[in-house]
Amino acid sequence: QSALTQPASVSGSPGQSITISCTGTSSDVGGYNYVSWYQQHPGKAPKLMIYDVSHRPSGVSNRFSGSKSGNTASLTISGLQTEDEADYYCNSYTSSSTLIFGGGTKLAVL
Amino acid sequence: QLQVQESGPGLVKPSETLSLACTVSGGSISSGYYCWGWIRQPPGKGLEWIGTIYFSGSTYYNPSLKSRVSISVDTSKNQFSLRLSSVTAADTAVYYCARHLYSVRDAFDIWGQGTMVTVSS
Repeated sequence: QSALTQPASVSGSPGQSITISCTGTSSDVGGYNYVSWYQQHPGKAPKLMIYDVSHRPSGVSNRFSGSKSGNTASLTISGLQTEDEADYYCNSYTSSSTLIFGGGTKLAVL
Repeated sequence: QLQVQESGPGLVKPSETLSLACTVSGGSISSGYYCWGWIRQPPGKGLEWIGTIYFSGSTYYNPSLKSRVSISVDTSKNQFSLRLSSVTAADTAVYYCARHLYSVRDAFDIWGQGTMVTVSS
């Protein structure tokens, strides 16, 4: 199974909004509402930010939101803060009863 | 507050078997509401799902690793374990254990800190 497609990097200024895309196929992202997003700071374990496409776990800022259209899921971060600078990974359940991650996106807050 | 923690050798020789354990604390691994997974991350690269196990013993594996992977659960120790056979340098990575929200379809909501495993002679 090939990794979901994410942009290698995105950037934004403090206070701005950015969107990270995650493109798959009808056998994964497009076929199920089981898309999740993880934030990873250097040397740290990933942290769940969004699950089931658009749900936020308790404790995650409402500046983070998720959506999906067709085979592409998106993570939007509004009101960018310097602490949002990190790597972001999407993940999806697949029709083969497996899980697949995206290649990751490095977010720079300039 | 449930936590998970990886343990095992940090150095494995090529062609040998990598064995890691994940200890669950603050809750029971036998809870029917969750299942448990392994994820790895080679240095400087992205995340790769390895596999998932239910406390009942049902398993799901990454097709690219399936022939070499085995995940098991030991309810008496509140642990689940990973075995990866015939390792090569390509298996050098940080290995994470994590809890799924509910089923294999669902997100990983609790992660261990990760343990670095290097494959080298």
